[in-house]
Amino acid sequence: ETGVTQSPTHLIKTRGQQVTLRCSSQSGHNTVSWYQQALGQGPQFIFQYYREEENGRGNFPPRFSGLQFPNYSSELNVNALELDDSALYLCASSLQGAGDTQYFGPGTRLTVL
Amino acid sequence: SQQGEEDPQALSIQEGENATMNCSYKTSINNLQWYRQNSGRGLVHLILIRSNEREKHSGRLRVTLDTSKKSSSLLITASRAADTASYFCATDKSNYQLIWGAGTKLIIKP
Repeated sequence: ETGVTQSPTHLIKTRGQQVTLRCSSQSGHNTVSWYQQALGQGPQFIFQYYREEENGRGNFPPRFSGLQFPNYSSELNVNALELDDSALYLCASSLQGAGDTQYFGPGTRLTVL
Repeated sequence: SQQGEEDPQALSIQEGENATMNCSYKTSINNLQWYRQNSGRGLVHLILIRSNEREKHSGRLRVTLDTSKKSSSLLITASRAADTASYFCATDKSNYQLIWGAGTKLIIKP
């Protein structure tokens, strides 16, 4: 068990709505990365936050946005939901980004109808 | 885009046998990591191997890295039912981004 928690566990939304997912990082970790994982696929990198600043982004549109707070917890916001946004959303905390072990939360399963 | 590609896509073996999974990648890396995922939940880190290392061990796990062939393998010895999971490799595209393969689904039959 990692010390990373995510909420909610499951979420059902309709197309066009907005959603906020939350992540609490492991104690002492100042870096949080968000991933989208479609069924049967590997995780796709959305973006990374380091000390409250976005310091890297994958190939996702601007309607995917995020925040990191002074306690290093983080939010992922998705606007104008589309059916293809249905996926497992994972956050991972670490000390040094991609060069370091990633500690994952259990994920949030988002279903868009 | 997916840099790492695991092979095979699925593997079914008897409990007690060894399981070998392979990962190929396309561009140069600083490190390669292996993770396990049970039933579509969070991923669990197994091993990180750096580009200047050729082999690492952790318990029943053995990882090799061949940077000349841009490939890595994960060997699980004496498999157990609890090893049933999907296994992913991830490589560092940059100092912030990991690129993941589609995974190998491992089933251990009792």
